[in-house]
Amino acid sequence: SYELTQPLSVSVALGQTARITCGGNNIGSKNVHWYQQKPGQAPVLVIYRDTNRPSGIPERFSGSNSGNTATLTITRAQAGDEADYYCQAWDSQHEVFGGGTKLAVL
Amino acid sequence: QVQLVESGGGVVQPGRSLRLSCAASGFTFSYYGMYWVRQAPGKGLEWVAGISYDGSNKYYADSVKGRFTISRDNSNNTLYLQMNSLRAEDTAVFYCARENGVGDLFFWGQGTLVTVSS
Repeated sequence: SYELTQPLSVSVALGQTARITCGGNNIGSKNVHWYQQKPGQAPVLVIYRDTNRPSGIPERFSGSNSGNTATLTITRAQAGDEADYYCQAWDSQHEVFGGGTKLAVL
Repeated sequence: QVQLVESGGGVVQPGRSLRLSCAASGFTFSYYGMYWVRQAPGKGLEWVAGISYDGSNKYYADSVKGRFTISRDNSNNTLYLQMNSLRAEDTAVFYCARENGVGDLFFWGQGTLVTVSS
């Protein structure tokens, strides 16, 4: 079965750039979506179809996808960006989520 | 505005059944595919099942295939998840979500907790 691999945790200094990766076999050929989840809340879509931001999501959030790695980039990181982030893709009639990355803003 | 409200969660013994519902409002329910996604306590997101806008196509995670059934009632704007033969490892918050064509889940409910325990 298809797997998406994310780092367990990523740390970023306040105001700096965080990059969260999502690895999968030939993931560049798939549509990848990213979700932010804060404690006790439902997930929120922050990037869809690799690079698109839903309305209301700051421009600081961006995505890319090529080869075997998709990346969520958060520029000018803020304390409010601390959350778990999940990537998602479709493969062989199954949706797959990555294991999630906890982002710490220091 | 789009609203998804799950109900039907609770405590159930292993081997028993439970049916979850998701009441949708604020959009044309019959136009969109819908998903169930769950999250075990302290764990990550796990896709459970998906259904096409008209109910003609259904997809299941291997972990629930043969035990869970997703369905929808477009006349009543409601999504369902029938869960049979429940196991302790099915304990989770279950979310319903609206997908936008390629699995992108723009809208989520607040979730309903299912606890499988004797």
